[in-house]
Amino acid sequence: RKEVEQDPGPFNVPEGATVAFNCTYSNSASQSFFWYRQDCRKEPKLLMSVYSSGNEDGRFTAQLNRASQYISLLIRDSKLSDSATYLCVGTSKRGASKLTFGTGTRLQVTL
Amino acid sequence: ETGVTQSPTHLIKTRGQQVTLRCSSQSGHNTVSWYQQALGQGPQFIFQYYREEENGRGNFPPRFSGLQFPNYSSELNVNALELDDSALYLCASSFGVATNEKLFFGSGTQLSVL
Repeated sequence: RKEVEQDPGPFNVPEGATVAFNCTYSNSASQSFFWYRQDCRKEPKLLMSVYSSGNEDGRFTAQLNRASQYISLLIRDSKLSDSATYLCVGTSKRGASKLTFGTGTRLQVTL
Repeated sequence: ETGVTQSPTHLIKTRGQQVTLRCSSQSGHNTVSWYQQALGQGPQFIFQYYREEENGRGNFPPRFSGLQFPNYSSELNVNALELDDSALYLCASSFGVATNEKLFFGSGTQLSVL
């Protein structure tokens, strides 16, 4: 079983739609969580950190449920420019602080 | 722009060859991590260097090796290349090794092994 699992999609949504991505993790020692965005064959870029209390950044809301080992990302009022792959990421520290990435969920926003 | 630069941007090699990829970390950062991203997958942790010492390694064979220099730039070396080594290789720098430390990624080196 992968440490971080995501639905690979693709999610095809019209502009203006609300879309939600889910992610589960198996390593209960994971300490911090993030969502990264990656455009085609480019480097991942940090979208936002994820906290148990939930956090919001404009149209994006992220939530962490430690009891269920579940992370979510909600995008409201989708824009064409939101089309990308969204990577769910956990961190753990065993020797090195490493990021463990999910395979990513591909989002395509259409007119 | 993250201030992390990688070279070369693209590389084509044949099976059995050796390759060296380079990474210059962002100014002030003392930690460099390397990741391999195969097509359709998320990046996989290869290893991390902190103040010129290896500080942890992922599930990669010994033919993947690295170095970090006094200026904190880094190299990833892969010997005896295999077809499955074809991937995007990403370098990320940070200041320190805390799990909530923000990583800054370079734009990667696309390696193709024929």
